[in-house]
Amino acid sequence: KNEVEQSPQNLTAQEGEFITINCSYSVGISALHWLQQHPGGGIVSLFMLSSGKKKHGRLIATINIQEKHSSLHITASHPRDSAVYICAPHSGGGADGLTFGKGTHLIIQP
Amino acid sequence: EPEVTQTPSHQVTQMGQEVILRCVPISNHLYFYWYRQILGQKVEFLVSFYNNEISEKSEIFDDQFSVERPDGSNFTLKIRSTKLEDSAMYFCASSVGWTGGTFYNEQFFGPGTRLTVL
Repeated sequence: KNEVEQSPQNLTAQEGEFITINCSYSVGISALHWLQQHPGGGIVSLFMLSSGKKKHGRLIATINIQEKHSSLHITASHPRDSAVYICAPHSGGGADGLTFGKGTHLIIQP
Repeated sequence: EPEVTQTPSHQVTQMGQEVILRCVPISNHLYFYWYRQILGQKVEFLVSFYNNEISEKSEIFDDQFSVERPDGSNFTLKIRSTKLEDSAMYFCASSVGWTGGTFYNEQFFGPGTRLTVL
C-alpha cells in the first residue's frame, strides 16, 4: 500500500508569492497526478507526470522517481488559486486506481 | 472540450434503499473508475473497469456495490442496500488508455454525486 504524505497541510500566502507544495510516497510508481479540488467539490487534473518536469501556465510540477518525491509550484499566486491541491500516485499500469494524499489547503489572500 | 458528466448531482435516500449513480465518461475513453470522498476525508478509490469487467477494486468495494456499463455511453455504480456510512461524494473518472502506441492514464473526473443516506 502506498503511503502518501503531503506538506504543508495548510498554507496561507499573499497574492504574488511563489508557492511550493511537496508530496512524498512510499512505493515505487509509474506516474503521479496533481489534482485541484475547489470548495464546491469538483476535481480537476492539473498534471500527470512520470519523470522530470511539466509546466502549464503558472503551474510547474516536478518529480524525482528515485527519491519518491514530487513538488507542485505556483508562480505569481492569485486568490483564484485558493483550493485544495492533491497528490495522487499510480502504483502500476493499466486500470489501477489512484492513491490520494490528504491534500494541501491553499489560501491566497489579496 | 469533452468532459465526464454525472447524474444526479445530489441524491437523498433512506437507509436500506438501493441507489444507482450514473456517469457518462469521455467518449473515446476506455478505462472507467469510481472514487468516493466522505465529508472532510481524502478521496478513496473504489473500482476500475475496462473491457466490460472490473480490473481492480479496493476493500471498500464489497458485495453491496456493483458496476455496469449498460450501453455504449453510461457507466453506473449501484449500492444495493445503503448504509448511513455510504453518505459521501462519489466521483466518476475516465482515462483514454492506449493511444498512438502509448499508454496514457491521465484520469479526468466528473463533478460528483453527493449521496446522503438518512
